[in-house]
Amino acid sequence: NAGVMQNPRHLVRRRGQEARLRCSPVKGHSHVYWYRQLPEEGLKFMVYLQKENIIDESGMPKERFSAEFPKEGPSILRIQQVVRGDSAAYFCASSRDRSYEQYFGPGTRLTVT
Amino acid sequence: GENVEQHPSTLSVQEGDSAVIKCTYSDSASNYFPWYKQELGKRPQLIIDIRSNVGEKKDQRIAVTLNKTAKHFSLHITETQPEDSAVYFCAASKGNYGQNFVFGPGTRLSVLP
Repeated sequence: NAGVMQNPRHLVRRRGQEARLRCSPVKGHSHVYWYRQLPEEGLKFMVYLQKENIIDESGMPKERFSAEFPKEGPSILRIQQVVRGDSAAYFCASSRDRSYEQYFGPGTRLTVT
Repeated sequence: GENVEQHPSTLSVQEGDSAVIKCTYSDSASNYFPWYKQELGKRPQLIIDIRSNVGEKKDQRIAVTLNKTAKHFSLHITETQPEDSAVYFCAASKGNYGQNFVFGPGTRLSVLP
């Protein structure tokens, strides 16, 4: 669980800029999930990826948001043309194969000014 | 899709007392139910989980019960301590494909010394 790394921890973007959030899963984990958490709210699922594949993106807005998990390197959540409503904490979690337990990273707190 | 409700939204108990948080889910196909603890500004941490083939699971001061017929599950914390103060989230998932979790809205637990 302590092995999930996210960077940056804090990110400030002006409206219209792009935000790139990175997630390195626990070593040996090949499944990555992204969640969004608004202040004082719960976690909302965005997207589930395996290496080089998007398995479920049902929680991700169709426009401006994209995610990838390449064969090498971290998973990336990309938000284009950010708006104030994108301000939130973005958490990624990882799991080993299709096991149930998901372990969360420390999150990236995105602030759009 | 799955919908998870959680009650109460806030809970205050005296140190040493017990705390109980209840969740209900809507999708009878859900078969994995984790509980996460999130301290202010920190990542969600898995504290206990239960699968649908068990009715109860215990880990020291923490226990979870599951009633599949009624589609509800509960977190029980005994002998509460100030460090138990945090937001607790329940979640439900079908689990088979490492699917996304559907989280409840959270319970803010305050343990008063």
